[in-house]
Amino acid sequence: KAGVTQTPRYLIKTRGQQVTLSCSPISGHRSVSWYQQTPGQGLQFLFEYFSETQRNKGNFPGRFSGRQFSNSRSEMNVSTLELGDSALYLCASSLGGGQTYEQYFGPGTRLTVT
Amino acid sequence: AQSVAQPEDQVNVAEGNPLTVKCTYSVSGNPYLFWYVQYPNRGLQFLLKYITGDNLVKGSYGFEAEFNKSQTSFHLKKPSALVSDSALYFCAVSVNYGGATNKLIFGTGTLLAVQP
Repeated sequence: KAGVTQTPRYLIKTRGQQVTLSCSPISGHRSVSWYQQTPGQGLQFLFEYFSETQRNKGNFPGRFSGRQFSNSRSEMNVSTLELGDSALYLCASSLGGGQTYEQYFGPGTRLTVT
Repeated sequence: AQSVAQPEDQVNVAEGNPLTVKCTYSVSGNPYLFWYVQYPNRGLQFLLKYITGDNLVKGSYGFEAEFNKSQTSFHLKKPSALVSDSALYFCAVSVNYGGATNKLIFGTGTLLAVQP
């Protein structure tokens, strides 16, 4: 099976712009989660989507949003970018459903805000 | 609030020696515990998990972990380290409140350096 794919792999944006990141989960996986990784804050949970519905949300401002499509693919959007949004954004997929399963991570999108 | 602690920023071990990477957790409810490894410029790779059952869990690449409820620990171990095991290791916990959740809380990571 193909793994989790994320596009683009690298992005450079200017402060104030917005950005959309994409994630394609492993075939058959219905849950997609997003994490932000920075040297200072480590790995932090952004949100999780299951069956096109947000099931969990972390402590991030409303500038961070996401959605999931009927084929389980997911996108996250960050509006009004700030310098502190520079990070590695990781997407993870899992079977989902009524149990907690291990998550499989994509390679990440490296976002640099200048 | 749930939290995970990895008390060592770095662990150094000689190739062929056993290794241990420590993890302790604090949760209310039954913990679901995971270990992930991250190589430079890569995403996280799943190593193993504890959900319920035997306290000793075996995972990928010869790694294992021991769940200790009384000490709230979930240490990662390997009997014989390889240079290729050098990477950043993360412990994570997910808490199930009766419904499914995939919200992982990660430790700060431990850099494992295996010397030849």
